[in-house]
Amino acid sequence: AQSVAQPEDQVNVAEGNPLTVKCTYSVSGNPYLFWYVQYPNRGLQFLLKYITGDNLVKGSYGFEAEFNKSQTSFHLKKPSALVSDSALYFCAVSPYYNQGGKLIFGQGTELSVKP
Amino acid sequence: NAGVTQTPKFQVLKTGQSMTLQCAQDMNHNSMYWYRQDPGMGLRLIYYSASEGTTDKGEVPNGYNVSRLNKREFSLRLESAAPSQTSVYFCASSDLEPYGYTFGSGTRLTVV
Repeated sequence: AQSVAQPEDQVNVAEGNPLTVKCTYSVSGNPYLFWYVQYPNRGLQFLLKYITGDNLVKGSYGFEAEFNKSQTSFHLKKPSALVSDSALYFCAVSPYYNQGGKLIFGQGTELSVKP
Repeated sequence: NAGVTQTPKFQVLKTGQSMTLQCAQDMNHNSMYWYRQDPGMGLRLIYYSASEGTTDKGEVPNGYNVSRLNKREFSLRLESAAPSQTSVYFCASSDLEPYGYTFGSGTRLTVV
């Protein structure tokens, strides 16, 4: 079955330290991969996507993600965390490009950045 | 501002009542989606519409119906609400290209 896993329910980081939010996927073919962020009481906002090409993708707010095909992973990273980065992060994969572009979401990782 | 608009933002229903959640987008997107968000379960697809005039079931369609009224609007109906349908509901839209979704701000529904 097609699936996305975010193995950590919560990630705690000190402000200024690098952060990583992990994501692995299980889909056939060459999927499209996405990261979204959700602030409290808000909808999800697009951060970045991987379609093809360079394995390191840069997105909004200084975030980047590294696609690793052999490990089927798409980890979200930021070199220096900010308190304002605290939010819920979702990894998503689209294996259904020709069927309406449906996304499968991971269960989410709560990122907490402390001063 | 361009985007996806959902109404209402909050709703409390009694078990057995019905209601319709409204969603409209002004980005001329072809595809629209309804997801529910529950703690620890991420977002689960209820129904989607790949284009005007078509709708298909997602992962958790039971207890829901949808209508793609036109290209802009995609509504979600609960015919007989149950406590298990207490959730936050998100509407999203996208174009056929894999540019990702644009989400609405959500509807927080409580069924008592």
